[in-house]
Amino acid sequence: AQTVTQSQPEMSVQEAETVTLSCTYDTSENNYYLFWYKQPPSRQMILVIRQEAYKQQNATENRFSVNFQKAAKSFSLKISDSQLGDTAMYFCAFMNWDQGGKLIFGQGTELSVKP
Amino acid sequence: NAGVTQTPKFQVLKTGQSMTLQCAQDMNHEYMSWYRQDPGMGLRLIHYSVGAGITDQGEVPNGYNVSRSTTEDFPLRLLSAAPSQTSVYFCASSGGLPIAEQYFGPGTRLTVT
Repeated sequence: AQTVTQSQPEMSVQEAETVTLSCTYDTSENNYYLFWYKQPPSRQMILVIRQEAYKQQNATENRFSVNFQKAAKSFSLKISDSQLGDTAMYFCAFMNWDQGGKLIFGQGTELSVKP
Repeated sequence: NAGVTQTPKFQVLKTGQSMTLQCAQDMNHEYMSWYRQDPGMGLRLIHYSVGAGITDQGEVPNGYNVSRSTTEDFPLRLLSAAPSQTSVYFCASSGGLPIAEQYFGPGTRLTVT
């Protein structure tokens, strides 16, 4: 069975600085997707970034980028130029390529951006 | 386009009561899922569906039933509520591969006393 581990329950960063959230996963599959979701205090789940395992290039979305290390089964999220609105819970999630609808989540990292 | 909607937003039940959490999507997505979120445990999959008439169990299915008679709706039934089912429940849908992204509803906070 696949598992996702986020080893940092809480992190904080100063506004405008860079922070990296860690995620490791365990799978025997070769084709899969990885995601980072953001959950602000409103409780809404918002997709931040997505990575297909077959792509070697790391995904980027504006200030958000990932470091995908397939052999090490590591998928970290880097937030550059942190903003107060980035304060939220962040979840790493895994999905097998042929199992749409089945996300496996990590425990979450609560990020606080301080002014 | 309302996306994924859930009702109610909040609910308090007594132990042993039953209820149905409603979920609907208007994006013609084939995949729909129910998750529960508990502190320190992330979101865990309860049940999911890959299309009308097809459902399967996730990681924590005990105490919950689902059915999917239409593409749009995927209700979650609590048969006999227990305090251990106090949680926040999320419904999600996706159009499947290659997009894969799941769209989430706003969640239902359920308290069982």
